[in-house]
Amino acid sequence: DQQVKQNSPSLSVQEGRISILNCDYTNSMFDYFLWYKKYPAEGPTFLISISSIKDKNEDGRFTVFLNKSAKHLSLHIVPSQPGDSAVYFCAAYSGYSTLTFGKGTMLLVSP
Amino acid sequence: SQTIHQWPATLVQPVGSPLSLECTVEGTSNPNLYWYRQAAGRGLQLLFYSVGIGQISSEVPQNLSASRPQDRQFILSSKKLLLSDSGFYLCAWRRTVPSYNEQFFGPGTRLTVL
Repeated sequence: DQQVKQNSPSLSVQEGRISILNCDYTNSMFDYFLWYKKYPAEGPTFLISISSIKDKNEDGRFTVFLNKSAKHLSLHIVPSQPGDSAVYFCAAYSGYSTLTFGKGTMLLVSP
Repeated sequence: SQTIHQWPATLVQPVGSPLSLECTVEGTSNPNLYWYRQAAGRGLQLLFYSVGIGQISSEVPQNLSASRPQDRQFILSSKKLLLSDSGFYLCAWRRTVPSYNEQFFGPGTRLTVL
């Protein structure tokens, strides 16, 4: 049973435009969410997080939105840059120890 | 500053051979430690995590095992590798306080079982 779902395996965006990456979850006990970025053959790097008590968190070009009633979160990247091309993972904590990851969305930003 | 090391970076092993992957963390004390596997075309699957020396929790039953002989050392092992063990293995750590925070990942080990 996949508790964190990233239903779009890939997304293509032009440089300068907005990239919107989506994530849905089924476990209502999830209360802290994170986004990671991963290049091939490297470990994921942390991008941004959000607590379930908030609905928005912003850090530079990256904004995460959380809709608890819909069990949905999204990552907005504005403006998108070619260096943003990578696989993006959504992840969630329930309890304090372990993260559950989605399968990832590959973002391609073309010049 | 904290750093996390994994070795080897790549490994090619025959089916039935043993495995030992090592992960060490520097610059922090009493971290939570994690082993993940990313199989081809899949997400990150949590294999094991540890909240302290000698304390291992297994998330997925399989022919792999983990050990934490020291505070900042985490080892992934197998007595006999299977073809299905091929993948990209990632070690991660996080501070235990605050309660919620990010995990930091190592560079990974690419394991190919032939």
